[in-house]
This record gives sequence, structure tokens and C-alpha cells, in this order.
Amino acid sequence: KAGVTQTPRYLIKTRGQQVTLSCSPISGHRSVSWYQQTPGQGLQFLFEYFSETQRNKGNFPGRFSGRQFSNSRSEMNVSTLELGDSALYLCASSERQGVREQYFGPGTRLTVT
Amino acid sequence: GENVEQHPSTLSVQEGDSAVIKCTYSDSASNYFPWYKQELGKRPQLIIDIRSNVGEKKDQRIAVTLNKTAKHFSLHITETQPEDSAVYFCAASTSGTYKYIFGTGTRLKVLA
Repeated sequence: KAGVTQTPRYLIKTRGQQVTLSCSPISGHRSVSWYQQTPGQGLQFLFEYFSETQRNKGNFPGRFSGRQFSNSRSEMNVSTLELGDSALYLCASSERQGVREQYFGPGTRLTVT
Repeated sequence: GENVEQHPSTLSVQEGDSAVIKCTYSDSASNYFPWYKQELGKRPQLIIDIRSNVGEKKDQRIAVTLNKTAKHFSLHITETQPEDSAVYFCAASTSGTYKYIFGTGTRLKVLA
């Protein structure tokens, strides 16, 4: 099976703009989670989706939002970008409830100038 | 709040030696503990995991141990090789969620 894919891989945006990142899970996987990775804060949980429902949300401001579609693909959106939003955004997928392993995509490197 | 502490932050070993990375978690409800390896510029890869009903798990040169009473778990790599050089992350999670709380990572360097 193909692994988790994320698009775009690299993105440069200006402060105040908004951005949408996309994640396609492994075929058959129904759960998608998002993480932000920065040198200073490490890997931090953003949100978790299963069957189009957000099941959990991390401690991020409301500027960070996401959704999941019926085909399990997921998007996350960041509005009013700040310099501190520069990070690697990783998504991970898991097969179903009760299966604990998650598999990560390659990430989207977002740079805010 | 939920927290996972990971030590050391950097570790250098000679090829063939063993490496040990330790993590401590705060949420006593945590019951699943995965370890990920992240090479430079690549995605984190799941290398081994352990559930709270097991004390130790091995996979070839890699092993993980869990002490629920002390709330800590460790990764052991034996006969290290240069290709083991990477950043290793531990994580903890509870039932019913895929929210992982990650440690801050350990940069392992295996010197040839």
C-alpha cells in the first residue's frame, strides 16, 4: 500500500495570509491526526479525526482548524498566519478504532515570512 | 497536565555498543507507548511499541521496557550501527484516542 501523502511539501506564506494543507491517509485507514513539529516545541498534537468527526483537539488557538472528508482525506487550515506558525506539519493515519499504531506522512514545511 | 520527559537529549556511542534512551510519563491513564525514529529530512517511523499489560518487548536489536509503577519506559538498542544514527522520540497515549504526547527527542550518533 502507498504510505501517507501530504501536499504541498513546501510552502512559503506571508504574515496575515491563510494556508490549507492536505493529507491522504493510507488506503483503508479511517483515522487522521495532525501534529506540529518545531525545534523548540518538538511534536505537538493539533487534532484527531475519525469518520469525519473531530474527536480531540490540542492546545492551539482557533486559527488552526481542520476537517475530514468521507474518503478519509483530511485538510488543516491556518488563518492569519504568524511567524511562529513556521513549522513542519505532519499528519498520521491509523487503520481503525482499537488499532493503536499511527503512520506518519512526510510533512509540509511551512515558512511564514 | 500531560507530559513526557525524555533523556538524554543527545547520545554518542561507538559502533557495536548499546544505547539506552529513557522516558517518564505523567498521566497514569497512559497505556500505549510507541517509539519513533526520525532521520534528517524524513518522516517519523514507528520502530517499536509497548502496551501497558506488557513489561518488555523485543524486535531483533531493539527492545522496550515499561515500569508502570514508576511511570517510565526505555528504548534499548544493542550492537548499534551507523544507520541507527537519527532522532528518537518516545510517546504516550491513552485508550480511545490517537493523541500522542511526545518526548522532546534524543539525537543518537553512532560513531564508526
